[in-house]
Amino acid sequence: DTEVTQTPKHLVMGMTNKKSLKCEQHMGHRAMYWYKQKAKKPPELMFVYSYEKLSINESVPSRFSPECPNSSLLNLHLHALQPEDSALYLCASSQPMNTGELFFGEGSRLTVL
Amino acid sequence: GQSLEQPSEVTAVEGAIVQINCTYQTSGFYGLSWYQQHDGGAPTFLSYNALDGLEETGRFSSFLSRSDSYGYLLLQELQMKDSASYFCAGVISSGSARQLTFGSGTQLTVLP
Repeated sequence: DTEVTQTPKHLVMGMTNKKSLKCEQHMGHRAMYWYKQKAKKPPELMFVYSYEKLSINESVPSRFSPECPNSSLLNLHLHALQPEDSALYLCASSQPMNTGELFFGEGSRLTVL
Repeated sequence: GQSLEQPSEVTAVEGAIVQINCTYQTSGFYGLSWYQQHDGGAPTFLSYNALDGLEETGRFSSFLSRSDSYGYLLLQELQMKDSASYFCAGVISSGSARQLTFGSGTQLTVLP
């Protein structure tokens, strides 16, 4: 199994809602990542988990809250988002020392109204 | 700061060879990766250069020169399905961790 599965594929939420994005992989990877991508732009790193511990937070606003319950799962909890947070949110995984080769999910397309 | 610069657009015809360049300015640099992304799709890994020189994988080759802070992706025997965005990405140390930082991206259009 070489897949990274993200749910939901599409999400529309209001600025007062609380929602979560989910990511799952069964490749035995011990590093997992959240990236944000706007249209026609490169993916921007948000968070890195290594061995289930948060190792990098790229100064992401606190309305985004990551969680890594176990080595296969990664969540991104969303609360009080702004319309400018509308984007494609990509999850990826890798072996921690093979950061050059990330396996990406298809992404969750988020629209904040 | 960290920056990886690429041409924004490249156009070529089927069967041709195209080279996409990437210049970088980063500290804590470990290596250079290349990713392909079709519209509406996920980035997919193409190659990784940890050492200087040329890596070949089928129709795609990638090159790195650390002394010049420069790399390129070479696509041969272009096919229509190669039309996509191509990103170089630097593996960079961040404290005790490593991260992958993407370049600005190059939109490749392959014409019949």
